[in-house]
Amino acid sequence: AQKVTQAQTEISVVEKEDVTLDCVYETRDTTYYLFWYKQPPSGELVFLIRRNSFDEQNEISGRYSWNFQKSTSSFNFTITASQVVDSAVYFCALSETYTGRRALTFGSGTRLQVQP
Amino acid sequence: DGGITQSPKYLFRKEGQNVTLSCEQNLNHDAMYWYRQDPGQGLRLIYYSQIVNDFQKGDIAEGYSVSREKKESFPLTVTSAQKNPTAFYLCASSPDRVETTEAFFGQGTRLTVV
Repeated sequence: AQKVTQAQTEISVVEKEDVTLDCVYETRDTTYYLFWYKQPPSGELVFLIRRNSFDEQNEISGRYSWNFQKSTSSFNFTITASQVVDSAVYFCALSETYTGRRALTFGSGTRLQVQP
Repeated sequence: DGGITQSPKYLFRKEGQNVTLSCEQNLNHDAMYWYRQDPGQGLRLIYYSQIVNDFQKGDIAEGYSVSREKKESFPLTVTSAQKNPTAFYLCASSPDRVETTEAFFGQGTRLTVV
């Protein structure tokens, strides 16, 4: 069965520091998708990125970057020059293609606190 | 504005009562989902539906029931059989296969058993 592990329960940094959120996944599918979502205090999840298993290129979007490594089954998320507005819970998620389960499997989340 | 509306935002239930959480979307999405969030456990899938009049159990379906009579609505009933219903409940929808398109989430319902 699929599984997503976010070993970091909570991270606290000072504004302008860089921070990396780790995500390790398990799947038997050869085709799958990985996601990152942000959950601000308001509660709803906000989509950040989707990556398919055939695309191992790293991606950068502003201060955000993602490092996908199939060899280590990891999909880590880095925030450069963190800001107080980045404070939230961040979830990594996995979706498989051939298992028949048409839904996301989430990790337990990492709470990021950025101190001013 | 298009989006997903969950109501109510806060809900209190007495032990032994059934309660229904509402989820409505006007995004014309085929697929809808219910997740439960507990502190430190992330989101766990309760039920999901890929099409009207069809739904599948997720990982923690016991004590819950759903219906999908209309494309835009996917209500979740928490029955008295659910032994520990206090949690934050999130509804989501996606246009098609969730693996190829992002899922959109509502703002959640916080259910407390009193």
